[in-house]
Amino acid sequence: AQSVAQPEDQVNVAEGNPLTVKCTYSVSGNPYLFWYVQYPNRGLQFLLKYITGDNLVKGSYGFEAEFNKSQTSFHLKKPSALVSDSALYFCAVRVAGAGSYQLTFGKGTKLSVIP
Amino acid sequence: EPEVTQTPSHQVTQMGQEVILRCVPISNHLYFYWYRQILGQKVEFLVSFYNNEISEKSEIFDDQFSVERPDGSNFTLKIRSTKLEDSAMYFCASNLPAPEAFFGQGTRLTVV
Repeated sequence: AQSVAQPEDQVNVAEGNPLTVKCTYSVSGNPYLFWYVQYPNRGLQFLLKYITGDNLVKGSYGFEAEFNKSQTSFHLKKPSALVSDSALYFCAVRVAGAGSYQLTFGKGTKLSVIP
Repeated sequence: EPEVTQTPSHQVTQMGQEVILRCVPISNHLYFYWYRQILGQKVEFLVSFYNNEISEKSEIFDDQFSVERPDGSNFTLKIRSTKLEDSAMYFCASNLPAPEAFFGQGTRLTVV
């Protein structure tokens, strides 16, 4: 079974400050990892993914995430937060190459960027 | 940019009624999915569909649920006899050849 933990229900950060949204995962095998963002009354928008290769991956809107295999983590980061980054962020995982494509999501972290 | 589209955006139905939620996946994608998100909870996998058949389903996807690809573009989720606990946001998604799934805007289903 695969699982994702997002330990923080809410993260508050001041505009212009760096932000981190935490994610740890558990899978049997190699993971494919994803971050999605959900704005109010909207669908899930893909931000970035880790498949293989460089542990630091860059995505949309200046976001990046670092894959750490030993800590089974995939934290989302941004060097300078914008008010418009305020949204709900979901980390998701699936097992690489297992013939299963279903995503398992974390419960989400609400990011509030304070002007 | 191609996107997954879902209709309707909001559906209100009476308990016991049948509902059909519709989706148009991205045209060159091969896998199609339904997920749901009960208000305030995590997004949960319901079913995946490939090559005109279900490839995986979760324990949520019981006999009340069915999926269909009636033509070359649409992908539907039918709930045969809705219950109050079926109230949720239902997301359609598609992917492959890319590994990331692309989600539609969702259909908010309210069962009264």
